[in-house]
Amino acid sequence: DSGVTQTPKHLITATGQRVTLRCSPRSGDLSVYWYQQSLDQGLQFLIQYYNGEERAKGNILERFSAQQFPDLHSELNLSSLELGDSALYFCASSAEEGSVFPAEAFFGQGTRLTVV
Amino acid sequence: SQQGEEDPQALSIQEGENATMNCSYKTSINNLQWYRQNSGRGLVHLILIRSNEREKHSGRLRVTLDTSKKSSSLLITASRAADTASYFCATDEDTDKLIFGTGTRLQVFP
Repeated sequence: DSGVTQTPKHLITATGQRVTLRCSPRSGDLSVYWYQQSLDQGLQFLIQYYNGEERAKGNILERFSAQQFPDLHSELNLSSLELGDSALYFCASSAEEGSVFPAEAFFGQGTRLTVV
Repeated sequence: SQQGEEDPQALSIQEGENATMNCSYKTSINNLQWYRQNSGRGLVHLILIRSNEREKHSGRLRVTLDTSKKSSSLLITASRAADTASYFCATDEDTDKLIFGTGTRLQVFP
């Protein structure tokens, strides 16, 4: 058990809909990362938050947004969903300060999103 | 593409054999990590090697890093069926992001 909790585990929704994925980092970890893993794109970094502030942005679509709350949990919002958004979405957390490459990141089990 | 590349894409071996996976990356790095992922599940951190290190061991795992060739290898010795998984390398960029390779799918047959 990595200590990172993601909910829900599975999500099936229709095109055009909006969903929210939730991540609770390991206790004490200030950095949260979101990744998308799809069959055709592999594992892609989306966005990173550190102590409530956005720190780095990767290949995140404009239809997607994220935030980190004062209690350090994070949510990834996906809107106007398309079939191609079907993927595994992973959250990871790290104890290290945001400006330093984390020596270790702990991953949640992921949320499997299926858009039909 | 932001991704590194693992080679081979897939590898099938018998229990007891060694498995070697390679990873190439494009930019200068400070660190390289190897992760394992069981089918459809979260990633598990295996080992980190820093750019000033050339080799690192952890149990049955041996990682090498050649910064001149921008490549790393992961060797799993005396493989077991439970080692069946996908293995990814990950590197940093100039900020704190993990950039993953495309992964090697390892199948170990009993």
